[in-house]
Amino acid sequence: NAGVMQNPRHLVRRRGQEARLRCSPMKGHSHVYWYRQLPEEGLKFMVYLQKENIIDESGMPKERFSAEFPKEGPSILRIQQVVRGDSAAYFCASSPDGPRNTQYFGPGTRLTVL
Amino acid sequence: RKEVEQDPGPFNVPEGATVAFNCTYSNSASQSFFWYRQDCRKEPKLLMSVYSSGNEDGRFTAQLNRASQYISLLIRDSKLSDSATYLCVVSPSYNTDKLIFGTGTRLQVFP
Repeated sequence: NAGVMQNPRHLVRRRGQEARLRCSPMKGHSHVYWYRQLPEEGLKFMVYLQKENIIDESGMPKERFSAEFPKEGPSILRIQQVVRGDSAAYFCASSPDGPRNTQYFGPGTRLTVL
Repeated sequence: RKEVEQDPGPFNVPEGATVAFNCTYSNSASQSFFWYRQDCRKEPKLLMSVYSSGNEDGRFTAQLNRASQYISLLIRDSKLSDSATYLCVVSPSYNTDKLIFGTGTRLQVFP
């Protein structure tokens, strides 16, 4: 059973460009979470999604950031008009259906904005 | 005040030593508690869940004190491979599964 997959593993963008980060949950998992880890800081919750629904987006910046988890395909975290402060490691986690389940993390995407 | 607070360390200990990490959380309504381990530039991995009754997994023992809003992790007989950052993690309520992470405590075990 493959773990949580994220791609790309490393992404370099210039200021003003768009960044698209993909996350494929573990097989059988229908809950996806995105977290961001700035350099020398802890992980910060961004958004929690189930298929076709955003459940909790309380950690998402109000502008430029969006997330989706379509019926088919991976979850996408999209950052428009990136700025240097967006440089961070973005981790996706998934959990199976039902409450209070363990979250399993993917290897992360390291975004560098030049 | 941070939602989850940890001493950042580093804790430098010799192999075989016993080391303890502490963590406090601010939200008294928090429901679930965990210790995760993060190796340099890698993803966090669940080490163990933490229960009020305390729980043990091999060399690792975790304790939760709800009255004091305090969580601990004890590592006995430290191994070189235990060198990592240990993250105290709290899930704030039953309404959401989001996790709140501490900034982590760094452990370095030396020969």
